Amino acid sequence: RKEVEQDPGPFNVPEGATVAFNCTYSNSASQSFFWYRQDCRKEPKLLMSVYSSGNEDGRFTAQLNRASQYISLLIRDSKLSDSATYLCVVGGTGGFKTIFGAGTRLFVKA
Amino acid sequence: AAGVIQSPRHLIKEKRETATLKCYPIPRHDTVYWYQQGPGQDPQFLISFYEKMQSDKGSIPDRFSAQQFSDYHSELNMSSLELGDSALYFCASSSQTSGSTDTQYFGPGTRLTVL
Repeated sequence: RKEVEQDPGPFNVPEGATVAFNCTYSNSASQSFFWYRQDCRKEPKLLMSVYSSGNEDGRFTAQLNRASQYISLLIRDSKLSDSATYLCVVGGTGGFKTIFGAGTRLFVKA
Repeated sequence: AAGVIQSPRHLIKEKRETATLKCYPIPRHDTVYWYQQGPGQDPQFLISFYEKMQSDKGSIPDRFSAQQFSDYHSELNMSSLELGDSALYFCASSSQTSGSTDTQYFGPGTRLTVL
């Protein structure tokens, strides 16, 4: 079993749709959690950190469930520009080793 | 705001050659990470440095070595290159002393092609 597992993609959604991604992690000692976005042939860019209390940034909402060891990302009112690969990232204790999920590809269509 | 700088952006080498990739972290960041991303793959952690000391090691081949210098820039040295080393190599930096989470910021990557 991979240390970080994400929903298999791709997700194909129309503009304006709401889409949710889930991610599970196996190391209960994990300390930090992030969602990154990666466009084709570009570097991963931080979308948002994920906190136990949940956090929201505009159309994006992230949740962390430590008991079940999963992280979620909700995108509301999808835009064409949201098309990308979304990477779930989990940091270990001490923060030096980071494990990436395989990514979920999102296609938003007009 | 200054970002992570990587050089070169593209590199073409032949099998059995050596390559050196450079990474300049965001100013005042003390930690550098190296990742390898093959086509259609997620980034694989190679190695990290904190305050010029190796802090963690991932799936870095023995043919590769890396170090962080006094000015916090880092270099990834790759020897006896193989076709399978062709990939995007990302460097990321973070600040362990900022009091916040270990958020990593990525450079644009170096695309290495081994022929």
